[in-house]
Amino acid sequence: SAVISQKPSRDICQRGTSLTIQCQVDSQVTMMFWYRQQPGQSLTLIATANQGSEATYESGFVIDKFPISRPNLTFSTLTVSNMSPEDSSIYLCSVVGAGGQFFGPGTRLTVL
Amino acid sequence: GENVEQHPSTLSVQEGDSAVIKCTYSDSASNYFPWYKQELGKRPQLIIDIRSNVGEKKDQRIAVTLNKTAKHFSLHITETQPEDSAVYFCAAIFSGGYNKLIFGAGTRLAVHP
Repeated sequence: SAVISQKPSRDICQRGTSLTIQCQVDSQVTMMFWYRQQPGQSLTLIATANQGSEATYESGFVIDKFPISRPNLTFSTLTVSNMSPEDSSIYLCSVVGAGGQFFGPGTRLTVL
Repeated sequence: GENVEQHPSTLSVQEGDSAVIKCTYSDSASNYFPWYKQELGKRPQLIIDIRSNVGEKKDQRIAVTLNKTAKHFSLHITETQPEDSAVYFCAAIFSGGYNKLIFGAGTRLAVHP
């Protein structure tokens, strides 16, 4: 399966600021997604990151709050904008590769 | 709408017993059903999956069954071991322009020695 890395692995941020999370894959992948996992909860799809076009957002998520870039088939970023404590969560990128869909290690975000 | 329901939310078994987790899905067009295991502080790991053209798939101590008519699928773990303790998530792929995985709420499995 593809090797997926994320940066940063964790961060503590002040409310009102923004954080950009990077996801790097060691091979080209067509499908890349961003999920959120709040403490003790399941995985919620934020958006599908489309290479060369705007991301496709799920209900309840908007581009102004979670802008996503996908400049090529191995890299994507998710920005969490104007953060509030409710944004404290783990953010995971995910890719579809040979054998299924796989997840990055996640970014643990705490907003104070 | 797009929905995957998962039961039970918690499951406690004795080592060596079997564990069964059940999920139902809403989209009759769904054709792919993976299961993930998530240990504390780690990423979800794909452990087994099944496609809609088969009714059962087995990999050592784990198996998944699918009933397309009833729109439900189940994970079976036999001869459970303490290292099976984790949160398990079922998921279903939803069509409608592009494929996306929607997850169940998760089952916290505890295997007691």
